[in-house]
Amino acid sequence: NAGVTQTPKFQVLKTGQSMTLQCAQDMNHNSMYWYRQDPGMGLRLIYYSASEGTTDKGEVPNGYNVSRLNKREFSLRLESAAPSQTSVYFCASSEEGTGELFFGEGSRLTVL
Amino acid sequence: GESVGLHLPTLSVQEGDNSIINCAYSNSASDYFIWYKQESGKGPQFIIDIRSNMDKRQGQRVTVLLNKTVKHLSLQIAATQPGDSAVYFCAENPGSARQLTFGSGTQLTVLP
Repeated sequence: NAGVTQTPKFQVLKTGQSMTLQCAQDMNHNSMYWYRQDPGMGLRLIYYSASEGTTDKGEVPNGYNVSRLNKREFSLRLESAAPSQTSVYFCASSEEGTGELFFGEGSRLTVL
Repeated sequence: GESVGLHLPTLSVQEGDNSIINCAYSNSASDYFIWYKQESGKGPQFIIDIRSNMDKRQGQRVTVLLNKTVKHLSLQIAATQPGDSAVYFCAENPGSARQLTFGSGTQLTVLP
């Protein structure tokens, strides 16, 4: 049982490049989330998806887009990367209506 | 907006001693609180939660205390072990499981 799997684990981009972070969960959870973690700032919610076919903005959505491809997969896209998007990105999933989130191992992104 | 904060960014304890990690919250509408543990290089992991109709909840070696009067949350770890070294985050849910707000974290270091 892999839980939440994120790819890639590390990525270096140049300013203006685009990329997609992939996330898949095998726990049959309805809800999925993308967070970013910066030093001293905890985790901030970028986007979430309460169920397949729905997505909503979180606290810091600017510069990102998401796709809930199916119940298992939730991707995060950076269309034109900026240095301010250098961060560690975490995908998570949960049963709907609970605060017990299951996180992936994270994707460390550096934008030069 | 309102946010969760922590009193101390770092805490060092001797192995075998009890640890107390504190958290202040300011959103009086929050009705659900969660503690997460994050080991180096990994995603956060759920430890324990508590609802606002309780003031204490115990798990295995951990106890969470909630004081709604002063909007304070604490995590107590009994007989702290080297494996407890990690960053601990409190999170609050102001009524929607999709919008957890995380604090900035406390680094717990267990000394031999």
